[in-house]
Amino acid sequence: DTGVSQDPRHKITKRGQNVTFRCDPISEHNRLYWYRQTLGQGPEFLTYFQNEAQLEKSRLLSDRFSAERPKGSFSTLEIQRTEQGDSAMYLCASSFRLANEQFFGPGTRLTVL
Amino acid sequence: GNSVTQMEGPVTLSEEAFLTINCTYTATGYPSLFWYVQYPGEGLQLLLKATKADDKGSNKGFEATYRKETTSFHLEKGSVQVSDSAVYFCALSEIAQGAQKLVFGQGTRLTINP
Repeated sequence: DTGVSQDPRHKITKRGQNVTFRCDPISEHNRLYWYRQTLGQGPEFLTYFQNEAQLEKSRLLSDRFSAERPKGSFSTLEIQRTEQGDSAMYLCASSFRLANEQFFGPGTRLTVL
Repeated sequence: GNSVTQMEGPVTLSEEAFLTINCTYTATGYPSLFWYVQYPGEGLQLLLKATKADDKGSNKGFEATYRKETTSFHLEKGSVQVSDSAVYFCALSEIAQGAQKLVFGQGTRLTINP
């Protein structure tokens, strides 16, 4: 069990550029979550996958955000035309089908200049 | 909607002091409650949980009791150590499309001085 991994750990980009983050969940976990954490706040739910199906999206997830989980394994979160307000820590978590606990990755810190 | 309110930080204590971090929640139904901890440079880790009223979660000397009557889940530890310095998050779960979506408080930064 290597835990949830995220790549990259840090990303600095200029306003208007597109960025993509990757999350690799724990191998047997079929549920995957994305959260966003801004400075001094707790994480906020963005979206959720069960296997390859995206079953829920928060209203926080504007049209510039898209997430995928092809083949129910790793997931990607893409932000198009980044804005300074997108600067945050993006967290990924995974859980096993019937389990209660979500295991979090170390996060990707995005800075939009 | 559901929400979690935590005691504001930062909290600074001396080693071996008693710790309480207050957490109250607003929820429909009976959610599960959690405390997560975030050490510097690391991801969130589950510290303890409780799934129904009057349950007590415990781990690493930390405890919290699910109090339905006061809608609270306060975190306590009898004697803190320098290594407990971290940010602590209280959270509840919402059921959505068969999954447990977490709703977090704003976090409480704890610093323990030797």
